[in-house]
Amino acid sequence: EDKVVQSPLSLVVHEGDTVTLNCSYEVTNFRSLLWYKQEKKAPTFLFMLTSSGIEKKSGRLSSILDKKELFSILNITATQTGDSAVYLCAVEARGYYGGSQGNLIFGKGTKLSVKP
Amino acid sequence: EAGVAQSPRYKIIEKRQSVAFWCNPISGHATLYWYQQILGQGPKLLIQFQNNGVVDDSQLPKDRFSAERLKGVDSTLKIQPAKLEDSAVYLCASSPLRGTSGRDEQFFGPGTRLTVL
Repeated sequence: EDKVVQSPLSLVVHEGDTVTLNCSYEVTNFRSLLWYKQEKKAPTFLFMLTSSGIEKKSGRLSSILDKKELFSILNITATQTGDSAVYLCAVEARGYYGGSQGNLIFGKGTKLSVKP
Repeated sequence: EAGVAQSPRYKIIEKRQSVAFWCNPISGHATLYWYQQILGQGPKLLIQFQNNGVVDDSQLPKDRFSAERLKGVDSTLKIQPAKLEDSAVYLCASSPLRGTSGRDEQFFGPGTRLTVL
């Protein structure tokens, strides 16, 4: 059965700290891995990773994928209170049923709380 | 660019009642998804449409859940009759056909929070 496991499930840090969120997966027909940030509403897209070893960066956030060891990490440096959210990792499996887009299998998320 | 629209935002019903949710995807997106997100969990795919055809409904509880996307644009998700365990946020997402735009990821709507009493 396909699965995505995130750790830790929750994390409390202080502003300015650096955090690393983990995502491991076992998915047949892997296509891509995505990170989303979810506050009290819809998940918003952060990164899509398809190739091993290539870091993607956006401001203080960065992510990398290891397709051999089947995991990804999301780093946030110099955390701010606005980074408080649930961070979701999802793996896209190739569409089994003929669609051009695969479906996403989500982990349970890591709840990050950044204290001032 | 307008995002994915969903309504209602909140719904409270009693068990055994029926409920329907509506989703309007981003204009031009061929693929539409419905997800169920139970508190403390990640979203779980219920059904995936490509245009007006069903691509994957393997995780849809078909005895009580149904969904349609008749004209390949808007979609409705219905639960009939609802159970207590259906309490969740129902998220709609859309994406373009792969390779047709610079961004392939799924864009999510704000969700409908359903409470079944």
